[in-house]
Amino acid sequence: DIVLTQSPDSLAVSLGERATINCKSSQTVLKSSNSKNYLAWFQQKPGQPPRLLFYWASTRELGVPERFSGSGSGTDFTLTISRVQAEDVAIYHCQQYYTTPNTFGQGTRLEIK
Amino acid sequence: QITLKESGPTLVRPEQTLTLTCTFSGFSISTAGVGVGWVRQAPGQALEWLALIYWDDDKRYSPSLKNRANITKDTSKNQVVLTLTNMDPVDTGTYYCAHRDEWKYVLDSWGPGILVTVSS
Repeated sequence: DIVLTQSPDSLAVSLGERATINCKSSQTVLKSSNSKNYLAWFQQKPGQPPRLLFYWASTRELGVPERFSGSGSGTDFTLTISRVQAEDVAIYHCQQYYTTPNTFGQGTRLEIK
Repeated sequence: QITLKESGPTLVRPEQTLTLTCTFSGFSISTAGVGVGWVRQAPGQALEWLALIYWDDDKRYSPSLKNRANITKDTSKNQVVLTLTNMDPVDTGTYYCAHRDEWKYVLDSWGPGILVTVSS
């Protein structure tokens, strides 16, 4: 199985500041045949199901604010929130869908400082 | 608009079989590339991918389930059913079903989830 390791496990950021969450894969999730990274990011608020933020590592899902961005390739990926808002408090998960089982990272909890 | 909803028992005894139904609308599981997956989350823990069924009836399972799982679809009823045998307290958690998009390849729409407790 592909293992995804997120860092940090939790972070506290002041309103308006930048938040950066990393996701490292135990093997590449870049498919050479189409040059796509099979990596997604989800946001999960308490008592809610996960919400898709990005697929193909950096393609923003419809309705996701532009302050969110996804980047990276191969084995190293980053989710960045440029100016954190109060409503961004959540747990963020990365997931690979390069191969089954489509594993998730352990999650990163974002709080407001 | 795509919607999904999980249904089934919220309390299961150890060693029993869990049967969960995902009823969906807004898409057809007969469409090429579409799938429905199941993901669970133990209280306070990470998301765990369990199984996925594709439009062509291809089925994939997590090896961690050790052959306890079976996923089926009923195209006419717009339902996908997940059964999990020999339930154990460690299987306690919220179970989600989700739509696998035929273009994004990712689980892009999720049901609200159902909390299943395994206890005697």
